[in-house]
Amino acid sequence: QVQLVESGGGVVQPGTSLRLSCAASGFSFSSYGMHWVRQAPGKGLEWVAVIWFDGSNEYYLASVKGRFTISRDNSRNTLHLQMNSLRADDTGVYFCSRDNYGVLDYWGRGSLVTVSS
Amino acid sequence: DIVMTQTPLTSPVKLGQPASISCWSSQSLVHRDGNTYLNWLHQRPGQPPRPLIYQISSRFSDVPDRFSGSGAGRDFTLKISRVEAEDVGIYYCMQGTEFPYTFGQGTKLEIK
Repeated sequence: QVQLVESGGGVVQPGTSLRLSCAASGFSFSSYGMHWVRQAPGKGLEWVAVIWFDGSNEYYLASVKGRFTISRDNSRNTLHLQMNSLRADDTGVYFCSRDNYGVLDYWGRGSLVTVSS
Repeated sequence: DIVMTQTPLTSPVKLGQPASISCWSSQSLVHRDGNTYLNWLHQRPGQPPRPLIYQISSRFSDVPDRFSGSGAGRDFTLKISRVEAEDVGIYYCMQGTEFPYTFGQGTKLEIK
C-alpha cells in the first residue's frame, strides 16, 4: 500500500535551517509529482511547494521562495524540503503528498517544525 | 493566486440530518485540458487530511456514497446526505487547476 513517512522536524531558532525528508513506498515514486503542504497550529492547510515527477520543474509559495528548496531522489524514493532562514511563521506540521492529476491523493502523517527563540 | 472561499465556517448538524458546504473560487477552475480540478478533503484532529472527492464530483473508492460533490466553473458544493458521528472534523476545498494550489479556510462540522 502507498506510504509516505516524513522525518527531520524539530525545534530550531529563527534564521537557522532544517531539512525534511519524506520516504515513499508502495507506488512508482518516479511517476508522480510530489508536494509539501503545511499547517500552522490550529490553522488551515497551506500549500508550500511541488516538484515534477522527474525533478525537472518546481513551484513555491511566494513566502518561501528563495528560502526553501524542494528536491527528490528517485533512486531512493525520497522527497526533501530544505528550509533555510526559518521564521516563526514557518512553524507547523509539514505534510508530503502525492499528486495524482490535480488531486493530492495520499498524505503522510506529517513532521512538526517549531521555529522559536 | 486563486482564492478559495468556503461557507459556512462552522456547521452544527444533528446526526442523520443533511449537511452542505459551499466553496467559491476567485476565478474559473476549468483547466485548459477541459477538466476542473476541484477537490474536497476531510481532516480529523491530529490526523492528516483525507481526500474525499476529486474533479468536482468523483468519490474516492473508500468514501461512502452519502458524500457527493457538485458545481461548475467557480461555484461548488459538498453535500452529506445523512451525517454520521465519524463525519465530524474540518472539510477543505482545494483547487489543483493551477499553481500555487490553494485551499479554502476550512469548514468545521460538529454534531448538534
